[in-house]
Amino acid sequence: DQQVKQNSPSLSVQEGRISILNCDYTNSMFDYFLWYKKYPAEGPTFLISISSIKDKNEDGRFTVFLNKSAKHLSLHIVPSQPGDSAVYFCAAPPGMNTGNQFYFGTGTSLTVIP
Amino acid sequence: ETGVTQSPTHLIKTRGQQVTLRCSSQSGHNTVSWYQQALGQGPQFIFQYYREEENGRGNFPPRFSGLQFPNYSSELNVNALELDDSALYLCASSLATGEMNEQFFGPGTRLTVL
Repeated sequence: DQQVKQNSPSLSVQEGRISILNCDYTNSMFDYFLWYKKYPAEGPTFLISISSIKDKNEDGRFTVFLNKSAKHLSLHIVPSQPGDSAVYFCAAPPGMNTGNQFYFGTGTSLTVIP
Repeated sequence: ETGVTQSPTHLIKTRGQQVTLRCSSQSGHNTVSWYQQALGQGPQFIFQYYREEENGRGNFPPRFSGLQFPNYSSELNVNALELDDSALYLCASSLATGEMNEQFFGPGTRLTVL
């Protein structure tokens, strides 16, 4: 049962434009969400996170939006740069005191075209 | 400060064999988690070790086992390999008392089972 879903396997965006990556979840008990970025031959690296008490978190060019009623979050990258080309995963821990046991989505491969 | 390292980078085994994958955690980290990432999928949590004890397990059979050593490095052992065990195996280290976004992944071991 996939508790975190990313329905778009790939996305192509022109350099300078906005990239929007989407993620849906099924478990209303999730209260913290993370986005990871993965380059080939490297492990995922943390990008940005959001707690369920917020609906937006911003860090430079990256903004994550959370819509709890829709069980949906999105990652906005603006402006997109060629170096942003990577696979992006959203993730959520199953609950408090579960350490780093994350549920990951299947990933969205972003290509930023120069 | 060294990051998370994993060995070997690639491995080819045949069905029924046993395999051991190794992970050195980031300096100062005392918790290690292992994930399996099949092709086209997101990482799936296998188990986590803290203070040399298993501290959480995902939906994986007992033939997936692990160890954590006093220096916090870790091993993942898989017995009776099956074709579906072919995947990228990721190790991640963190501090038990750290923030959830402070989990750092290694580059992974690519296991192919023929």
